[in-house]
Amino acid sequence: TQLLEQSPQFLSIQEGENLTVYCNSSSVFSSLQWYRQEPGEGPVLLVTVVTGGEVKKLKRLTFQFGDARKDSSLHITAAQPGDTGLYLCAGAWGGNTPLVFGKGTRLSVIA
Amino acid sequence: NAGVTQTPKFRILKIGQSMTLQCTQDMNHNYMYWYRQDPGMGLKLIYYSVGAGITDKGEVPNGYNVSRSTTEDFPLRLELAAPSQTSVYFCASREAGGSSEQYFGPGTRLTVT
Repeated sequence: TQLLEQSPQFLSIQEGENLTVYCNSSSVFSSLQWYRQEPGEGPVLLVTVVTGGEVKKLKRLTFQFGDARKDSSLHITAAQPGDTGLYLCAGAWGGNTPLVFGKGTRLSVIA
Repeated sequence: NAGVTQTPKFRILKIGQSMTLQCTQDMNHNYMYWYRQDPGMGLKLIYYSVGAGITDKGEVPNGYNVSRSTTEDFPLRLELAAPSQTSVYFCASREAGGSSEQYFGPGTRLTVT
């Protein structure tokens, strides 16, 4: 059973388009993180959201944490080829419990 | 500040051989993790540690062993390598605290033939 479901699994878009990827769960998390992984490298943290309903912006990326802290979305405005990569969401329950990772959304932005 | 370092970067093993993947972090993090990532897939947790002398199994521990004798080092041992262990292995660390950032190493690409 996958605790965190990410959709879509794959996404290929043209430069300049907007997109949204989703991270959903039936579990409540104390916080949720988004990571981006480029080919041949380890994942790197983009943002952490902690409060239900929280919205955070990172340049052209907008992250939202659901009111019930069970889901999150990542919206990219005017995608660029540099946005290409694997986007992973990870849920935290707090304490010593390891992060729970989704399977990721693989984004390809074509120039 | 080197962060999380992993060696080797690449390795080819024959079936039945053994090896140790090294992981070191210089951030004084208590929590350390080992993941494997199969082609086109997400991360699967193999083992983790919340401090020196403490280790625990993750989702896919079979065929692997770990030890944590110091805060800095968290080696992953593969005994009797099998083709199913062909993967990219990532080590990670973070501070204690549920929402703390997890730092990943660059990965070790292992092929078992």
